[in-house]
Parts: sequence; C-alpha cells; structure tokens
Amino acid sequence: GDSVTQMEGPVTLSEEAFLTINCTYTATGYPSLFWYVQYPGEGLQLLLKATKADDKGSNKGFEATYRKETTSFHLEKGSVQVSDSAVYFCALDTGRRALTFGSGTRLQVQP
Amino acid sequence: DGGITQSPKYLFRKEGQNVTLSCEQNLNHDAMYWYRQDPGQGLRLIYYSQIVNDFQKGDIAEGYSVSREKKESFPLTVTSAQKNPTAFYLCASSQDANTQYFGPGTRLTVL
Repeated sequence: GDSVTQMEGPVTLSEEAFLTINCTYTATGYPSLFWYVQYPGEGLQLLLKATKADDKGSNKGFEATYRKETTSFHLEKGSVQVSDSAVYFCALDTGRRALTFGSGTRLQVQP
Repeated sequence: DGGITQSPKYLFRKEGQNVTLSCEQNLNHDAMYWYRQDPGQGLRLIYYSQIVNDFQKGDIAEGYSVSREKKESFPLTVTSAQKNPTAFYLCASSQDANTQYFGPGTRLTVL
C-alpha cells in the first residue's frame, strides 16, 4: 500500500541555519505530494504541494521538488526563523481515497 | 471567512459514554474527512465522505460512527466501543480530490 517515510525528529537548529527534512514515499501510480505544518495545539496548514514529477512547490521560503526517480519530496529552507518551530508532515494523495501521512518531524529553532 | 470549524476544542468523556465531535465547513467542499492524531505519530484516517449521504470507513473506524446528512456537516461519534479514545481529532475537507483543508482540532480525554 501507499506509505510515507520522514526523518525522525526533533530537528534542532539555530536561527538562520539551513533546513532539510527528508521525505520518501511508496505509491502506485503518480501521487500528488504535500507538506503540511502544525503549530502547537492547532490543526494542519498546507505549506506547499506538487502534483507531477519535477514540479517544485514553494511557500514562505520553503521549497520541495517532486523527484520521481528517487521517490522523494524533501523540504528545504535556506534560513530558518524561531517562528518556523512546528511539526512538519509529508503526505501523498493518489486520488483514490484520502491523504497518506508520514509520522511528522518536529523542528525546533533556537535564537 | 470561509473555513472549517470544530467544536468543542476540549472534550472530556467518562468511561462508557458516547460523545459527538462537531465539524462544519462553509467552503462548499464535497469531501470531508476525520483523522485521529496520537502523540508523536502521524494522522490516521477514521472515516471519509466524498458526497452527501455517503461515507466510507478508513483505517481505524472501529468504535467510531459518522453521518453526512448535509454537505457542510460531518459529525463524528466516539462510542463506548472505542477502548482508547484519548487523542487529538482533526476534521478536513477538500474539493479537488487532493488539497485538504483542516479544522483546528478537538482534544478528547477519557476521565
């Protein structure tokens, strides 16, 4: 079945450091890929998405490129801020049912 | 403003009680979803509905029930058959079969 694997956290960085959160997936067909962010005690917010191979999703300085050959969708940001501290979820959708989520990666950014 | 509302934000249940979590959306989306989130884990699908008067079981439907009598409403009942209901419950909706929009969540605690 479909699955998403994310790097385990927490990821602890200093402000202005470079961020990478790895995400790989297994799916039949050609899924759409998503990154969602969850701040403490809140629901999930869509951060970015990509719907086909080689697409790059971007938002608020975050980027991720849909790599079909490596089945990956790694999240990157060039310079993190304290306000980026949250849990980040990678997810996929094959259009058959609902999103399949990874287990989430907690990011802690220290001033 | 368009969006998804969930109520209550916090809910406490005694052993043997049924409780109902509310989810309402004014985005005119056809599809709605319920997920359960446990600490340090990703989201697991409980039920989903792609159209009014129709719904399907997700991966962990046992001990839960839903209804979809109106397009904008998708209430979730946690029955006494659910042996470990303490969790954070998230409702979502979508229109284009992939991008899902989430409510703020309900935290359920069994006393």
